[in-house]
Parts: sequence; C-alpha cells; structure tokens
Amino acid sequence: DGGITQSPKYLFRKEGQNVTLSCEQNLNHDAMYWYRQDPGQGLRLIYYSQIVNDFQKGDIAEGYSVSREKKESFPLTVTSAQKNPTAFYLCASSFGTQGVQPQHFGDGTRLSIL
Amino acid sequence: QKEVEQNSGPLSVPEGAIASLNCTYSDRGSQSFFWYRQYSGKSPELIMFIYSNGDKEDGRFTAQLNKASQYVSLLIRDSQPSDSATYLCAGVDQGAQKLVFGQGTRLTINP
Repeated sequence: DGGITQSPKYLFRKEGQNVTLSCEQNLNHDAMYWYRQDPGQGLRLIYYSQIVNDFQKGDIAEGYSVSREKKESFPLTVTSAQKNPTAFYLCASSFGTQGVQPQHFGDGTRLSIL
Repeated sequence: QKEVEQNSGPLSVPEGAIASLNCTYSDRGSQSFFWYRQYSGKSPELIMFIYSNGDKEDGRFTAQLNKASQYVSLLIRDSQPSDSATYLCAGVDQGAQKLVFGQGTRLTINP
C-alpha cells in the first residue's frame, strides 16, 4: 500500500533533549512538508522540501531542523531550543514542483514534554 | 503575510440539511484552494480542490470559488453525523510554493 508513514505515534521529550520524528513516503512524491498543529488551531508550516538535498524554512522554523537525503524520507528534529514543543506534528507530501499539488498527510506524531 | 480566514465555529447543522463552510483569503494571486476534513485526533484528509471560478461538485460536496470576492466555500448536502469534523481550507501561496491553512471550522451534524 502506498502512503506516508510517521513514527513514532507518541513521543516524550525531556528538558534539554533533541528528538527526531520520522516521515517516510512510498508515493514517489517530490515535495514533503512538516506542519505543527496546536489544539483547536490550524496547521503551521515548519519546513518543506521540493527536491532532495534542498529545503526551505516555513513560518515557524526556529527550534527545528530537517534533512532530505533521500526522496522518500524527510525527518524532523525538534531541538532543545524549541521551548514549547508539545503539539501534534504532521508530515505531508505531494507530486511535482510546478505549482502546488494536493498534499496528503501521514497519521501524525504527538509530542509531549516530560 | 498571506492569510486564509475561517470562522472557527462550532457550526451546528441538523442531519439531512446543507452545511455551508466559508473561507476568505488575502492573496489575490492565489489560484488554487483545497478543503480538508479532520476528525478529532486524526490527520487531515483531502476532500476537494478547486482551481477555477465557479462550482465543482463531487458527490454530496460542492466547492465554490469566487476570485473577485476572494471567497471560497464548501457545501455539504444531505449532511450526515459522520460529516461531523473540523474542515480546513487551504490556499496556495504561489510565490513560496506552499499552502496556507485557515484555522479550521468545527462542524457538528445533529441527528
């Protein structure tokens, strides 16, 4: 089955710790995205990548880092510099780099502070 | 900052009625819009997208786009309790090649 796999489903972070959220897709999509969703809010873009080895900051990139070494994978690291990391993190992907194509989402990772 | 605005609701509609969800956007250059449905605790799923002025129908769903008024809407006919969810509107920021999401409208269909 083609799709987007995020892991883990739940993650707990200790103070001062970096954690990495995984996102893998087998849809052969070129573009991948990371969003953050706080309770009762819409989606805010953290980082996005349209091709391998290239990515751009979104609206709330501070305290986060990403890499795009493979087309299928776009991991997100929540660093200790992100002081309020508790949120629902969503990874998405879409075809193409011409225009913006419909994005499809993984099941998300819920991150909490211990 | 390019923005997409939605009434956060909650919007309550009786079963079998038409639910109307609305969205306005600030970027006159936006050409494409997407509607996502998000059940509580789940990730968003794409239900409609619209690129042209006018209406686009898909089953019980109709998306409407009015570029002159910078207004996009989603109509759900014959509303069912299973339609109860948060509906997210997203517009395209062509310059940055990304989507801009509204805050979502929470819809409740009452049996």
